Amino acid sequence: SQKIEQNSEALNIQEGKTATLTCNYTNYSPAYLQWYRQDPGRGPVFLLLIRENEKEKRKERLKVTFDTTLKQSLFHITASQPADSATYLCALRPGDMRFGAGTRLTVKP
Amino acid sequence: GAGVSQSPSNKVTEKGKDVELRCDPISGHTALYWYRQRLGQGLEFLIYFQGNSAPDKSGLPSDRFSAERTGESVSTLTIQRTQQEDSAVYLCASSFSGTFPSGANVLTFGAGSRLTVL
Repeated sequence: SQKIEQNSEALNIQEGKTATLTCNYTNYSPAYLQWYRQDPGRGPVFLLLIRENEKEKRKERLKVTFDTTLKQSLFHITASQPADSATYLCALRPGDMRFGAGTRLTVKP
Repeated sequence: GAGVSQSPSNKVTEKGKDVELRCDPISGHTALYWYRQRLGQGLEFLIYFQGNSAPDKSGLPSDRFSAERTGESVSTLTIQRTQQEDSAVYLCASSFSGTFPSGANVLTFGAGSRLTVL
């Protein structure tokens, strides 16, 4: 069955630095990989998706890469701000509708 | 509606009681999903409805859990004989899997129903 791993439960960085979160997967070849953001007490919110034939996708300060050989996606937030503090989740699509466990990012002023 | 609506937002019940949680998806979304999230934990997939196809119930943790969906509209998640371990936030999401682009299944989540079993 598919397996998704987000390598860090928590990541603490200083404001202004770049945050890099990792999503690894096994036993599947997704057509898309999605990233969501979840704030405490709220449902996840979709941020970006990247297709299997795309190496990189950008949206404002966010950048996602997708390496189908390594079976890995990296999610970068540049010039991080305390407001970026949240849990970030990845998901494979189409797939079994499961999400990674998430990485809790804390950006300290 | 404009978003996914879930009710109740908060439910406190006694162990052994049955509870029903409701989800009203975005109009036109053919797919509907239920997830459970325990405190400090990740999303746990429960069940998935896609149009008129048989639902994917592979995530339901026990036969105390069941869900129904009427056509492509409202869904109800029922938990019978609740246990303290059922305490969690139950999140519903919907997607229009036919576009953006086909198969991408971008999910829109509701705010969740927080269930506390005493």
